[in-house]
Amino acid sequence: DAGVIQSPRHEVTEMGQEVTLRCKPISGHNSLFWYRQTMMRGLELLIYFNNNVPIDDSGMPEDRFSAKMPNASFSTLKIQPSEPRDSAVYFCASSLGRGEHYSYEQYFGPGTRLTVT
Amino acid sequence: TQLLEQSPQFLSIQEGENLTVYCNSSSVFSSLQWYRQEPGEGPVLLVTVVTGGEVKKLKRLTFQFGDARKDSSLHITAAQPGDTGLYLCAGGQGAQKLVFGQGTRLTINP
Repeated sequence: DAGVIQSPRHEVTEMGQEVTLRCKPISGHNSLFWYRQTMMRGLELLIYFNNNVPIDDSGMPEDRFSAKMPNASFSTLKIQPSEPRDSAVYFCASSLGRGEHYSYEQYFGPGTRLTVT
Repeated sequence: TQLLEQSPQFLSIQEGENLTVYCNSSSVFSSLQWYRQEPGEGPVLLVTVVTGGEVKKLKRLTFQFGDARKDSSLHITAAQPGDTGLYLCAGGQGAQKLVFGQGTRLTINP
């Protein structure tokens, strides 16, 4: 079975440009997560969806960041306008919820390495 | 905000040695997961522990969840170069959300 698919794997853009990152979760999973990883701050949760509905976006840095999940098999994370401090590796992860009392195993994609110059 | 602190941040040892890495918090978590991440890849789940005092073994890796569900440890016996990577612990906040520690970067030298 295919794992979580992310595209592009690498993105280099200039400050001020719009960047769109894409994610296809594992088929059948009902939750999707966007994370950002840097050396300084580690792995941070930006936003997550359950059944295509945004549940918690408290980790989204500011209004320049937005995320959508139009259907169960696709999500985007958009940065507009991009800034050098947005440079990081962005991961998408998905999971299949089975209960209510503990967090579910998350399966990560390979990440998108974003460089904003 | 619940925080997870991992120690040590960096560890470099020789093949065949044993090691333990720690994950500590002042908060109680509903569950705790350990992931390993290799360069250029996403984290890969190793184990989930949910019961205070729980111990799980995965070949040469032993995971323990503290009795109070605030801390965890990962012990590797007879480390091998293939164990090299970034080890991340993650605490469950409710039904779905995870908070990650900063990670322990482990290097096993042949």
